[in-house]
Amino acid sequence: DVVLTQTPPTLSATIGQSVSISCRSSQSLLHSNGNTYLNWLLQRPGQPPQLLIYLVSRLESGVPNRFSGSGSGTDFTLKISGVEAEDLGVYYCVQSTHAPWTFGGGTKLELK
Amino acid sequence: QVQLKESGPGLVKPSLTLSLTCTVSGFSLSSYGVIWVRQPPGKGLEWMGVIWGNGNTNYNSALKSRLSISRDTSKSQVFLKMNNLQTEDTAMYFCARWAFDYWGQGVMVTVSS
Repeated sequence: DVVLTQTPPTLSATIGQSVSISCRSSQSLLHSNGNTYLNWLLQRPGQPPQLLIYLVSRLESGVPNRFSGSGSGTDFTLKISGVEAEDLGVYYCVQSTHAPWTFGGGTKLELK
Repeated sequence: QVQLKESGPGLVKPSLTLSLTCTVSGFSLSSYGVIWVRQPPGKGLEWMGVIWGNGNTNYNSALKSRLSISRDTSKSQVFLKMNNLQTEDTAMYFCARWAFDYWGQGVMVTVSS
């Protein structure tokens, strides 16, 4: 199974600060159809996860453009350009290139 | 609009079988796959499996021997059955569309005697 390693596990930020989260895969997430099925989710306390980014860098409808995704192959990054209070929660990367699909361990974004 | 809602028992005794239902609206199960994801209290997300629009399924390797996902397209319902439940299966269980774009609110399942 594909293992996704997220770093850091915890991130402390001030409002307005820019932060990045890394997601590294144990094998390439490039599908034979040419797509890379790497997604980013945010789970706020007491809520189901919310899709932020799909196919590495495509912003889900309604998600603020301060969120951006990048990467290829085995290394991926989620960047938040100017953290806002509503961004606090746990971020997960998840791959759906290889069955079984797998989640990263999560990164908790806290206020400093 | 697209909606998913999980339902099922909140409490299950050890060694018994868990049965959950995900009722969807706003899309067809013949066109979109549905996944099940669970989350033990205070822990991360675990992908359990998917049932595709054509009815094919894929399962988490660790759960494959205990898990079954099926559906009734006429009722817009997806079913999860997992046998031989243990205390470590205590978790919030979510269903979602395969693209992770729409999620249910989840149902908490506690395994306890």
